[in-house]
Amino acid sequence: DTGVSQNPRHKITKRGQNVTFRCDPISEHNRLYWYRQTLGQGPEFLTYFQNEAQLEKSRLLSDRFSAERPKGSFSTLEIQRTEQGDSAMYLCASSLSPAVSSYEQYFGPGTRLTVT
Amino acid sequence: AQKITQTQPGMFVQEKEAVTLDCTYDTSDQSYGLFWYKQPSSGEMIFLIYQGSYDEQNATEGRYSLNFQKARKSANLVISASQLGDSAMYFCAMRRLIQGAQKLVFGQGTRLTINP
Repeated sequence: DTGVSQNPRHKITKRGQNVTFRCDPISEHNRLYWYRQTLGQGPEFLTYFQNEAQLEKSRLLSDRFSAERPKGSFSTLEIQRTEQGDSAMYLCASSLSPAVSSYEQYFGPGTRLTVT
Repeated sequence: AQKITQTQPGMFVQEKEAVTLDCTYDTSDQSYGLFWYKQPSSGEMIFLIYQGSYDEQNATEGRYSLNFQKARKSANLVISASQLGDSAMYFCAMRRLIQGAQKLVFGQGTRLTINP
C-alpha cells in the first residue's frame, strides 16, 4: 500500500472551465475527506464521505463544487465554471473508523489548481 | 466556535537545539483531540502526534512531544534535538466529531527554519 494518491498533481486552467480531481485513499479506509488550502493558510475542511455516503459539506463548498465517491473507494471533486478564487491546493485524506484505529487522517500529496 | 491559534508565523532555530511551537485552541466540546502535522515544501501533510482531551499524560513520539495544558487550552509541540530536515510548515489541528467524522480544524501554521 503506497498511501493516499491524488491526480493530477498540478492543474492549470482558464477561468470558466471545469476541472475534476481524483483521490485514491488507502484501500481499507472507509472515510475520505477533502480539504482546501490557500497560500499561507492552514487547510480548510470541504466535505466528508463514509463509504459512498457524503455526510458533511462545508459552506465553503458552493454549488459549483461537487464531490462523489461512487463505490466507496476513489473519490472525485469537480469544480464547474472555475474562478480565480478557486486557485488553491486541494488535499484529500482518508482514515479508518475511530472505533478501530487512532484518529489519524492520512493525507495525499494534493492537487495544486491555478486558474488564469 | 472552534478555533486554533498559532501565534508564531516563523521560528528560526539552530540545529540540535530544542524548539517549542505554540498552539492554543478554543472549543465548547467536552471530547476533542489535538494533532500536529508537518508540511514540507512538497506539500504533503505528515502526521506527527495526537493528544486526546481525556488523555492524562502528554503524548510523545520519538523526538516530538506535546505539552498539553487543558486548563490553559494549549497544546504546544516540542521538538528535541532539531535537525535540518525539520525545516517545514507545522500545523496544529483540532478534531471535531460530526456524524462520526473527524473533521479537522487547522491553525494558520508556523514556518520552522533550522539553521546549521
